[in-house]
Amino acid sequence: AAGVIQSPRHLIKEKRETATLKCYPIPRHDTVYWYQQGPGQDPQFLISFYEKMQSDKGSIPDRFSAQQFSDYHSELNMSSLELGDSALYFCASSVQYGEKLFFGSGTQLSVL
Amino acid sequence: KNEVEQSPQNLTAQEGEFITINCSYSVGISALHWLQQHPGGGIVSLFMLSSGKKKHGRLIATINIQEKHSSLHITASHPRDSAVYICAVSNTGNQFYFGTGTSLTVIP
Repeated sequence: AAGVIQSPRHLIKEKRETATLKCYPIPRHDTVYWYQQGPGQDPQFLISFYEKMQSDKGSIPDRFSAQQFSDYHSELNMSSLELGDSALYFCASSVQYGEKLFFGSGTQLSVL
Repeated sequence: KNEVEQSPQNLTAQEGEFITINCSYSVGISALHWLQQHPGGGIVSLFMLSSGKKKHGRLIATINIQEKHSSLHITASHPRDSAVYICAVSNTGNQFYFGTGTSLTVIP
C-alpha cells in the first residue's frame, strides 16, 4: 500500500540558505501535518492543512511557511536557515480531519 | 508543566515480560495517539483512541476519559519491540501535544 512520501530524505544546507521539503500524503488523504524533531527532543507540531487550507498552527517560526496544493501534497519552505533548524522533519497525513495519522519517514535537515 | 506526561521515561525488560507504559494528560482532547519511533527516526502510529480499548497483536491500548489517562501494554515482549513509545493527544482544533516518550529496551 502507498505510504506518505517525503523528499528529500536528507538535505544539507548552509546558514542563511533556503530549503523546501515536500510531502506527498497517502492517496485520498486530505489532511497533512508537519512536525519537527530536534536531536534528542520530542516532536514539535509545526502546522497542519485540511482540504488545502491551514487548519492549525503550532510552533512554526516566521521564517518558515507551508502550503497544501490542489493535489494535496504539501511543501514546507524554510528561509534564512539557522543551525538550530537542524532536525528531522516529519510529515503525516490522515484520511480526514481527526483520523489516525500515517507518518512519512522524515527529512533529515542538517544546517552547517 | 507538560500537557502530556508519560511514565516511565526509560524501561528495560526481559524478553517475554508484560510491559505497561502510562500516559496522563491535562487538556481536553478529541483523541489520544500512541506512536512508536525506532532508532533512525521513523514514526509509526500504533493506535488512535477516543474511548475504551483497542488491541492489535500483542499491543493493547486503553483510555479512561474521566481520569485523563491511557496505558499501552505489550504482552510477551520481544527485542524488536525496543523503541521509543510516544503518547500524543489532539484536540478539536487539531493541535497536537506530545509526551516526552518512553524508551523501551527488551533484552533477549
